[in-house]
Amino acid sequence: ETGVTQTPRHLVMGMTNKKSLKCEQHLGHNAMYWYKQSAKKPLELMFVYNFKEQTENNSVPSRFSPECPNSSHLFLHLHTLQPEDSALYLCASSQEQGPRTPLHFGNGTRLTVT
Amino acid sequence: DQQVKQNSPSLSVQEGRISILNCDYTNSMFDYFLWYKKYPAEGPTFLISISSIKDKNEDGRFTVFLNKSAKHLSLHIVPSQPGDSAVYFCAASGPDMRFGAGTRLTVKP
Repeated sequence: ETGVTQTPRHLVMGMTNKKSLKCEQHLGHNAMYWYKQSAKKPLELMFVYNFKEQTENNSVPSRFSPECPNSSHLFLHLHTLQPEDSALYLCASSQEQGPRTPLHFGNGTRLTVT
Repeated sequence: DQQVKQNSPSLSVQEGRISILNCDYTNSMFDYFLWYKKYPAEGPTFLISISSIKDKNEDGRFTVFLNKSAKHLSLHIVPSQPGDSAVYFCAASGPDMRFGAGTRLTVKP
């Protein structure tokens, strides 16, 4: 399997639930990212991991908790979310963390918070 | 603070004609620009990029133009094909990467 794989594709959760999004990349990349895309808005960077170390946290609320156990896997743990957190969550990877390195995106998880 | 703007949410073009997608940015620190294409139910895929030391980069049917003085870049697709119908995002980086909100291109047969 190649590329960046995200599971689940769709997720509906209540505000008191705890769930996790999973991302796996088979490209041998060293940097992984979480982005949020809300309707008609630009992609918003949430977190960056480079060689398993978190290098950026873009002022994301603590109800979103990332985990990167190794360079190939990235998780986003969700708890006590709000309806406004409903969005498409995209995972991406790149060979290295850098402004000139194109990102390879997964197909995203469509999250609905009820 | 939206530093990268794609002011046209949608664009419709006839097959075989030229598609021109526009992008404006405000931060003069940006020095590298990328275009991504996104089909429904898929993630964005990298299409083409340009460094600020250039004003044009071409790859097959796709050409990106950069006008630094105007802080404007554009993506030209010629000839347009129905398979080009997608949402196109521009991104600007240096040091952070910022994305526009996207333009939905529809190429009609």
